[in-house]
Amino acid sequence: EPEVTQTPSHQVTQMGQEVILRCVPISNHLYFYWYRQILGQKVEFLVSFYNNEISEKSEIFDDQFSVERPDGSNFTLKIRSTKLEDSAMYFCASSRGQGANQPQHFGDGTRLSIL
Amino acid sequence: GENVEQHPSTLSVQEGDSAVIKCTYSDSASNYFPWYKQELGKRPQLIIDIRSNVGEKKDQRIAVTLNKTAKHFSLHITETQPEDSAVYFCAAMNNAGNMLTFGGGTRLMVKP
Repeated sequence: EPEVTQTPSHQVTQMGQEVILRCVPISNHLYFYWYRQILGQKVEFLVSFYNNEISEKSEIFDDQFSVERPDGSNFTLKIRSTKLEDSAMYFCASSRGQGANQPQHFGDGTRLSIL
Repeated sequence: GENVEQHPSTLSVQEGDSAVIKCTYSDSASNYFPWYKQELGKRPQLIIDIRSNVGEKKDQRIAVTLNKTAKHFSLHITETQPEDSAVYFCAAMNNAGNMLTFGGGTRLMVKP
């Protein structure tokens, strides 16, 4: 069964540095998402992306964050000037379409630790 | 925006008993409600979902019910097994279909 893959599995970064988290969505999926989960808390929506544009974003997704689909397979989340509170598990997800008939499939996540 | 509340936060049952997890949502325009199971350190995995035009859906030992009028939905697991132990998250999808709002999660422990 095809899966969403994410790299790296764990990223340790000094506060103030930039990080790029990478995702390869399922190949025939057209809609991509980033979520984050602070340790022990709920999964929180960050952003959705379709046709090379952001289609929805949450209050968390401020100017510090950006997303990109640099080629036909990768989907990246960039976090600039990282802060301690950015430490979390970041999940990428993808779906074939949008809406109630199109479930979102999650990757294994990248654990981001800001020191 | 949407707000999803989930109860209980922890649930301990004996193997073979049933488990029920309840969620409420605030946005009446939400139309799709998935449930995810997350084992420690792993990805959330979709286990069942329900659309707003359906009141109940069942898949073997798992069932979900939806009451649109009251804006609540529930997950029912029958004949629980130790491998059902995990954190379960409910979620609601916005009307645009591009965002999931998750509940706070329920840690289910099934004791052998």
